[in-house]
Amino acid sequence: GPKVLQIPSHQIIDMGQMVTLNCDPVSNHLYFYWYKQILGQQMEFLVNFYNGKVMEKSKLFKDQFSVERPDGSYFTLKIQPTALEDSAVYFCASSSHRGANTGQLYFGEGSKLTVL
Amino acid sequence: GDSVTQTEGPVTLSEGTSLTVNCSYETKQYPTLFWYVQYPGEGPQLLFKVPKANEKGSNRGFEATYNKEATSFHLQKASVQESDSAVYYCALSNSAGNKLTFGIGTRVLVRP
Repeated sequence: GPKVLQIPSHQIIDMGQMVTLNCDPVSNHLYFYWYKQILGQQMEFLVNFYNGKVMEKSKLFKDQFSVERPDGSYFTLKIQPTALEDSAVYFCASSSHRGANTGQLYFGEGSKLTVL
Repeated sequence: GDSVTQTEGPVTLSEGTSLTVNCSYETKQYPTLFWYVQYPGEGPQLLFKVPKANEKGSNRGFEATYNKEATSFHLQKASVQESDSAVYYCALSNSAGNKLTFGIGTRVLVRP
């Protein structure tokens, strides 16, 4: 089936550094999402993105977070600067239209971020 | 805000036995309900959805009924297989359709 690719699968960085998580969504998909999952806890919505804009974001989407998809390339989540509490697995998802209502969000395998 | 509560795992059972994973939800809106499944090393994938109250969804032998009165959406399977070992997530979408709210996930381990 359709695949969402996430790069890197695992990244270890020092607190205060910048990190960029990359997501290659399903081709022709128009809606993009990031979710955060701390070990042992539930996946929590961070942000969704459509037509070059953030449509909705949660309280977890701090000022240090930003998303973009320049020129139809990777959909990225940037954290600058990172903090210890940013350690988590970040899942990217995409959908072909307002996918949340249809349920047809396609998820990547996650990028595990460890902040030391 | 929206919230989803589901059975705390892990749930361990033998092949051929029945599975129930409880899910309850809270929302002020009229949600669509989902079950997602995540196999080891993969991202979550849609198992099935139910957009309307009092209707049933099903896939691969799993089923769940959207019970609006009880605000529940319990996942059931009559006879599990070892390949059903995975993490199962109950989720709901808001009426705006902008996001999914997930439960904590229930790890199910089926022994041969």
